[in-house]
Amino acid sequence: DAKTTQPTSMDCAEGRAANLPCNHSTISGNEYVYWYRQIHSQGPQYIIHGLKNNETNEMASLIITEDRKSSTLILPHATLRDTAVYYCIVRVRDSSYKLIFGSGTRLLVRP
Amino acid sequence: DSGVTQTPKHLITATGQRVTLRCSPRSGDLSVYWYQQSLDQGLQFLIQYYNGEERAKGNILERFSAQQFPDLHSELNLSSLELGDSALYFCASSVKTGEAFFGQGTRLTVV
Repeated sequence: DAKTTQPTSMDCAEGRAANLPCNHSTISGNEYVYWYRQIHSQGPQYIIHGLKNNETNEMASLIITEDRKSSTLILPHATLRDTAVYYCIVRVRDSSYKLIFGSGTRLLVRP
Repeated sequence: DSGVTQTPKHLITATGQRVTLRCSPRSGDLSVYWYQQSLDQGLQFLIQYYNGEERAKGNILERFSAQQFPDLHSELNLSSLELGDSALYFCASSVKTGEAFFGQGTRLTVV
């Protein structure tokens, strides 16, 4: 399984962009990068996923480098409610497509 | 609301007992995943079912078992409970290759 490396914690000011990096240097060609977040002890929330092109939805943007060895999740205008643990996951492309969570990045959005 | 329903929300039981956690997936989702999250720990993948069949197994103890029924709901059975089994248990569902959506979890406390 491709492993991911994320900073343990980050912070940003409310209203500013939050850029969360992730390294996944052993990713295989057909493996997707997924981002989830977990607010306090709630169920993880799907944010976005991508293969090689940059992706954007109503929650965030995902920038994947050309060699696919790293990616950045961008929350364009962070709010206090974005304070959470953010998980970058390389989705296993076996018959299960299970999600294996790492330690994630604890993002604190400051007022 | 993710559309995944887990019951009960909270459960308190004594050591040595057996409990059953229930998960109703989103309409149309054939895959169900179970995860365990102990206090201040990461999300540990336990097991996955797809359309009634076991598809993948993670760090699931022999005292734990699961099944998925014809109506696609799933149950996680935990027996001979120990204090260390106290945790949040999450269920997620997805179509085969789509993003997984998580329920709000069952908080199990073993006393």
